[in-house]
Amino acid sequence: SAVISQKPSRDICQRGTSLTIQCQVDSQVTMMFWYRQQPGQSLTLIATANQGSEATYESGFVIDKFPISRPNLTFSTLTVSNMSPEDSSIYLCSAFRGTNTEAFFGQGTRLTVV
Amino acid sequence: DAKTTQPNSMESNEEEPVHLPCNHSTISGTDYIHWYRQLPSQGPEYVIHGLTSNVNNRMASLAIAEDRKSSTLILHRATLRDAAVYYCILRAGNQFYFGTGTSLTVIP
Repeated sequence: SAVISQKPSRDICQRGTSLTIQCQVDSQVTMMFWYRQQPGQSLTLIATANQGSEATYESGFVIDKFPISRPNLTFSTLTVSNMSPEDSSIYLCSAFRGTNTEAFFGQGTRLTVV
Repeated sequence: DAKTTQPNSMESNEEEPVHLPCNHSTISGTDYIHWYRQLPSQGPEYVIHGLTSNVNNRMASLAIAEDRKSSTLILHRATLRDAAVYYCILRAGNQFYFGTGTSLTVIP
């Protein structure tokens, strides 16, 4: 198994500012992902965080708005840039070792933009 | 994206078995079927996964149709702590794409 820690757990931010969310896994993992979950909705995949290279973004998400870093096999950050109230959501980090295994999820970061 | 279809909600009486269905008619031969659940204010929690054969673990059983176009998550005795949103996911490659899920209510 893997334990994922996300920081901060919640934040209230002013529009126009940026917030960086950190994701730390307690062991090395092959893949790391970032999701967004709007209130009462399912999870939407934002991007795959690639170690040592640019993240791979899903349709509708762009690097300028959601820059992602992954400097090693246990850590990743997601930045929500130039925030607006529409960015208010829960952002979740996930890790996966590949093949016939399961994914693990952090507890999420609850972001409110005012 | 790999697609799954689940009922929006289901109810079960406490201590009775629950069968949560999932349709995935577009599944390909290498897609794994995963189930996760999400309790309020928590991240998704792994329940079970399989490829072709039925699977059992301490939490649940997964029954996979012979043509793999559908599957059923079986909770053998529902408890109040099993009340959650259950997501059936097809893992295509390394990505997990979530559908809308089934909200399970357990009635005491």
